[in-house]
Amino acid sequence: GAVVSQHPSWVICKSGTSVKIECRSLDFQATTMFWYRQFPKQSLMLMATSNEGSKATYEQGVEKDKFLINHASLTLSTLTVTSAHPEDSSFYICSASSRHPNTEAFFGQGTRLTVV
Amino acid sequence: DAKTTQPNSMESNEEEPVHLPCNHSTISGTDYIHWYRQLPSQGPEYVIHGLTSNVNNRMASLAIAEDRKSSTLILHRATLRDAAVYYCILTDTGRRALTFGSGTRLQVQP
Repeated sequence: GAVVSQHPSWVICKSGTSVKIECRSLDFQATTMFWYRQFPKQSLMLMATSNEGSKATYEQGVEKDKFLINHASLTLSTLTVTSAHPEDSSFYICSASSRHPNTEAFFGQGTRLTVV
Repeated sequence: DAKTTQPNSMESNEEEPVHLPCNHSTISGTDYIHWYRQLPSQGPEYVIHGLTSNVNNRMASLAIAEDRKSSTLILHRATLRDAAVYYCILTDTGRRALTFGSGTRLQVQP
């Protein structure tokens, strides 16, 4: 099946620095990708919808200036956590699906971010 | 998005069948029923989906009630690798982001 690759798998950064997470669809073109965040023992929460060639759509309560999303090509979306703080430590997961609705979604393996 | 209700946790023994229930009494006519699972420290993985008819694939079976207000994911022979959180999710035709509930944590005992 289609594969979505996310990199890095884990990252530790100092408070105040920025971290970039990449999400690639390896064998299909994804005009839309989604970014989720998952805190320990909680479910996934949608952060934003990444649209190729246009601005991302953020969910309520997610700061667009803090979580910068770039979707410059049909196979790559990036999430940059700017000026990271310990409360941003979380598991970040991207997903993509084909153009057709109600087909399966493919998820990256997730990125464990720890801000110290 | 229509809401789903699942038990918080279930236990099974290895090589026995597992029936994971999901209630979705407010499902609309165009909602598909999707199941995903998430192994520890990994992204979710697609399991199966359906609309009205029961569905089978290599991973599992999906039994959908006639009134579509509930469904059951069936793992025919649980293995230790099936230990995961299983999410039952409804999707409509207009939105492809998934709304995750709390899911069912399945434990498989050897």
